Amino acid sequence: GEDVEQSLFLSVREGDSSVINCTYTDSSSTYLYWYKQEPGAGLQLLTYIFSNMDMKQDQRLTVLLNKKDKHLSLRIADTQTGDSAIYFCAESIVEAGNMLTFGGGTRLMVKP
Amino acid sequence: DSGVTQTPKHLITATGQRVTLRCSPRSGDLSVYWYQQSLDQGLQFLIHYYNGEERAKGNILERFSAQQFPDLHSELNLSSLELGDSALYFCASSVVKGAGQETQYFGPGTRLLVL
Repeated sequence: GEDVEQSLFLSVREGDSSVINCTYTDSSSTYLYWYKQEPGAGLQLLTYIFSNMDMKQDQRLTVLLNKKDKHLSLRIADTQTGDSAIYFCAESIVEAGNMLTFGGGTRLMVKP
Repeated sequence: DSGVTQTPKHLITATGQRVTLRCSPRSGDLSVYWYQQSLDQGLQFLIHYYNGEERAKGNILERFSAQQFPDLHSELNLSSLELGDSALYFCASSVVKGAGQETQYFGPGTRLLVL
C-alpha cells in the first residue's frame, strides 16, 4: 500500500535554512507535492515535482528528489517566523487517479 | 485565497444526526476531491468526482455519501454521525495540466464537531 512518512517536528532560528524530509512509495508516474497549513487554515500548495526530476527551485524553496531512496526534501532558505506552520508532503499516482496520499505533516517552528 | 469555497466553516451537531457540507470549486475546474483531516488518521482521501461522475473512492464510510451537481458544486453528506467523525473536512478542485498532472487547490475546510 501507499505510505508517505515525515518527521513530526523541526525547530530552526529565523534566518537559518529549514530542511523538511519525506519518504514515499515508488511509482513509474508520480507527482510529489508540498503543502503548507497554518493554524485554522486550509492547505496552501507550495510546489510540486515530477518523479523523473531531481530538483526544482522556486524563490526560497528548493525541492530535492532522490528517486533511488524514495526521499523528498523541501528546503526553505532564510526561514522567517511567518514560515511557522505544518508542512505536508503528498504523493499522487497518475495511473491511480491522482488522489493525494499525505504524510503526517512536519510542524516547523521558527524562533526569532 | 485558493478560489475554492466551503460552507459552513464550522458545524456542531449531535451523535446520530445528519449534516451536509458544501463545496464550490474554482471557476472552470471539473474535479472535486474530498478529504478528511483528523488527529488520529491524518489527512485521508474520501472521494473524487469529475464533471458530475464519481471517479474514485478512498476510505469513505458507508454512512457518508457525496454528489456533484451540474453547476459543479459538490456536497458531502454525513449521516448517523459518531463522535469519531469530528474532523476537518476539505474539498479540493483541480485542473489537469500536461502529462496527467493535476494541481489540487484546497478550500478552507469545514470543521465538524459531533457532541
